[in-house]
Amino acid sequence: AQSVTQLDSQVPVFEEAPVELRCNYSSSVSVYLFWYVQYPNQGLQLLLKYLSGSTLVKGINGFEAEFNKSQTSFHLRKPSVHISDTAEYFCAVSVRGYQKVTFGTGTKLQVIP
Amino acid sequence: DGGITQSPKYLFRKEGQNVTLSCEQNLNHDAMYWYRQDPGQGLRLIYYSQIVNDFQKGDIAEGYSVSREKKESFPLTVTSAQKNPTAFYLCASSIPGTGGNSPLHFGNGTRLTVT
Repeated sequence: AQSVTQLDSQVPVFEEAPVELRCNYSSSVSVYLFWYVQYPNQGLQLLLKYLSGSTLVKGINGFEAEFNKSQTSFHLRKPSVHISDTAEYFCAVSVRGYQKVTFGTGTKLQVIP
Repeated sequence: DGGITQSPKYLFRKEGQNVTLSCEQNLNHDAMYWYRQDPGQGLRLIYYSQIVNDFQKGDIAEGYSVSREKKESFPLTVTSAQKNPTAFYLCASSIPGTGGNSPLHFGNGTRLTVT
């Protein structure tokens, strides 16, 4: 079975500073990887996804993530954050050939003015 | 615009009562899902359905039931057997795709409080 670990439950960062949200996964087979964002009292929205090909994936709102197979990681980065990026971010994994998606426990990004 | 509608946004029930959460989608997606979200625990899969009249248990199906009589609808019933039903419930849908590569589209959730 696959699993996802987001070690940081909260990440405070000053506005216009860079940020990295960490995600590690565990699976014995090939996976698809996703990052979602959730604003308060709303559902989740897709930020970006890695299916295959280039390991650097660009998403919406200036976010990007890099798939590292050897380290089983898929960290999310943004070079300069804005107040509007304050939200909770979830990493998710699905195993190729199966429909089930497993989510991490989430990281709350707090952007400080 | 296509999307997923969950209703109501807030729901209050007394302990011992069954309650049904509504989820409707007009995205023409075949697959639908129910997740439960608790603080610090991420999203946990309750049930999912890949096609009408078929559904599978997720990781925490005990105390819940679902039906999938129409492609557009996937209601979730929280029964009195669910020991800790207070939570934020999220419905999602996706194109089944070639096995797990389709992203999920989410509704805005229903916050259920049982006292």
